[in-house]
Amino acid sequence: GNSVTQMEGPVTLSEEAFLTINCTYTATGYPSLFWYVQYPGEGLQLLLKATKADDKGSNKGFEATYRKETTSFHLEKGSVQVSDSAVYFCALSIYNTDKLIFGTGTRLQVFP
Amino acid sequence: NAGVMQNPRHLVRRRGQEARLRCSPMKGHSHVYWYRQLPEEGLKFMVYLQKENIIDESGMPKERFSAEFPKEGPSILRIQQVVRGDSAAYFCASSLLGQGANNEQFFGPGTRLTVL
Repeated sequence: GNSVTQMEGPVTLSEEAFLTINCTYTATGYPSLFWYVQYPGEGLQLLLKATKADDKGSNKGFEATYRKETTSFHLEKGSVQVSDSAVYFCALSIYNTDKLIFGTGTRLQVFP
Repeated sequence: NAGVMQNPRHLVRRRGQEARLRCSPMKGHSHVYWYRQLPEEGLKFMVYLQKENIIDESGMPKERFSAEFPKEGPSILRIQQVVRGDSAAYFCASSLLGQGANNEQFFGPGTRLTVL
């Protein structure tokens, strides 16, 4: 079946530290991959996406590369800010299906 | 341009009551998706609707749950005879295009249902 596994949180970092949140997937077809972010009290927002192998999605200093050989889509940021504190969800969708399949989410806490 | 609207934001029900959750998609969007997030879990797909049609309800529990998206008005997720296990955050998303388009889904803020 199709599934997403991401590292458990919380991830606690100091401001300007390097961030990695691991995400791996299992898929029967050729998935598109996504990272969503959920700030406190808000809905999910699309952070970045990649639709084929070796694509790199990037936004707001965050990056993730679609690695087919390792079935991974790890989220990285070179220097986190306090305002990045949120829950991050990795997700996939299979072409010609309608649903997003989410990981369990990773809470990031950034302290000054 | 307002985003996806959900109401109420918080809903408290006693066991056996009915819960109605509303979702107004973004302007111009005719595709609506409902997801449920149980405590400490990720979001799980429930149902995908277009105007007046249920396209995919593979994630809906077989009993007590129903969804509609009428020609006029918001999409409604209805839970009859709620039980404590229904306590969760329910998120609605909408998209401009439908399945197969890898189209972005825009999410609402969610309704947090608590069953006493």
